[in-house]
Amino acid sequence: SQELEQSPQSLIVQEGKNLTINCTSSKTLYGLYWYKQKYGEGLIFLMMLQKGGEEKSHEKITAKLDEKKQQSSLHITASQPSHAGIYLCGADIDYSGAGSYQLTFGKGTKLSVIP
Amino acid sequence: SQTIHQWPATLVQPVGSPLSLECTVEGTSNPNLYWYRQAAGRGLQLLFYSIGIDQISSEVPQNLSASRPQDRQFILSSKKLLLSDSGFYLCAWSGGQINQPQHFGDGTRLSIL
Repeated sequence: SQELEQSPQSLIVQEGKNLTINCTSSKTLYGLYWYKQKYGEGLIFLMMLQKGGEEKSHEKITAKLDEKKQQSSLHITASQPSHAGIYLCGADIDYSGAGSYQLTFGKGTKLSVIP
Repeated sequence: SQTIHQWPATLVQPVGSPLSLECTVEGTSNPNLYWYRQAAGRGLQLLFYSIGIDQISSEVPQNLSASRPQDRQFILSSKKLLLSDSGFYLCAWSGGQINQPQHFGDGTRLSIL
């Protein structure tokens, strides 16, 4: 089973449009991370959310954490070709319930931005 | 500032040959270190993680092994590569506490022929 589900799996938008990517956990979240990856490269850390209701921004990218829904959303405003890539969410999940956390990743959302 | 170096960037190896991928971290001490494999459509799979020298945990049974001979050096090895070992391998580091992000190297694209 996949503990972190990302949606959509892929997204094609026109330059200048806004978009949202969601990440939903089937288990309790203790920390949520967003990364961006370009094909064939490593993951670039974007931001981390820890508390319910927390919202952070990095340039035109904003992420929110809804602790009750165990969900995070990543919103890009006025998308640009430089935003294209794969966005991955990761979360610290306590599988055993004993306080031992493991960082788990979603499968990613592939974003294409058409000029 | 901290940096992570991973090499080689690409590698083509025949089936049955040995493997050694190296990862080093600079600018921090006693980091947690990780090896991941990323396959198309399957996301990131954690292979090994280490909280200190010679302290390595394996997450999945496989044809690979990891070693940490020095505090900031993490090595992924295999004695005999299989076709199924092909993939994109990523090394990462993090601080020792919970809720600290992992920072990734540039990855190694491994192709087995």
